Amino acid sequence: AQSVTQPDIHITVSEGASLELRCNYSYGATPYLFWYVQSPGQGLQLLLKYFSGDTLVQGIKGFEAEFKRSQSSFNLRKPSVHWSDAAEYFCAVDRSGNKGGGADGLTFGKGTHLIIQP
Amino acid sequence: GAVVSQHPSWVICKSGTSVKIECRSLDFQATTMFWYRQFPKQSLMLMATSNEGSKATYEQGVEKDKFLINHASLTLSTLTVTSAHPEDSSFYICSASVRLKNTGELFFGEGSRLTVL
Repeated sequence: AQSVTQPDIHITVSEGASLELRCNYSYGATPYLFWYVQSPGQGLQLLLKYFSGDTLVQGIKGFEAEFKRSQSSFNLRKPSVHWSDAAEYFCAVDRSGNKGGGADGLTFGKGTHLIIQP
Repeated sequence: GAVVSQHPSWVICKSGTSVKIECRSLDFQATTMFWYRQFPKQSLMLMATSNEGSKATYEQGVEKDKFLINHASLTLSTLTVTSAHPEDSSFYICSASVRLKNTGELFFGEGSRLTVL
């Protein structure tokens, strides 16, 4: 079964500094990968997704992620964080692997809590 | 974009009562709807998958008699927590995939916070 690991439970970054959130997946082939953001008490908003093609994916709010097959990673990055980026970030993999279609739902990592220092 | 709405956003109930949470896709037809449960400061755990007109498929360890799921139409799924107990207190989030579009993307509701006294 597919699994997702987010090694960092908490990350603290100064406002204006760059950010990288780590995500590793376990799947034999290339899975469908996602990054979601959750503000306190809210649902999830999709930041970006990777299915195939260009391994550097651009998302909303200035986020990007790079798929690296050799490292089984899909790390999320942002060049300069804003105080409004403080939230919980979840990496997820399609449970069907790479069939897509959302038929089987997503498996989520445990999340990384991002704290922004002024 | 695709919007998923949950109601109620929060609910408080007494132990032993039943609570129903609705999940609606407002501007699209959902092939499949998923129900997740999230404990404080933890990840989302998939509880069950429901397809319109079919019985829900529950994940291992989730009591189907406890968490009743009904997917009456392509735009509505409901989760009923029966005979709720304090340990059922949690944040419940539904999500939906878009019918006829193989994007692999799920759209999430705002979540419903259940507190059982």
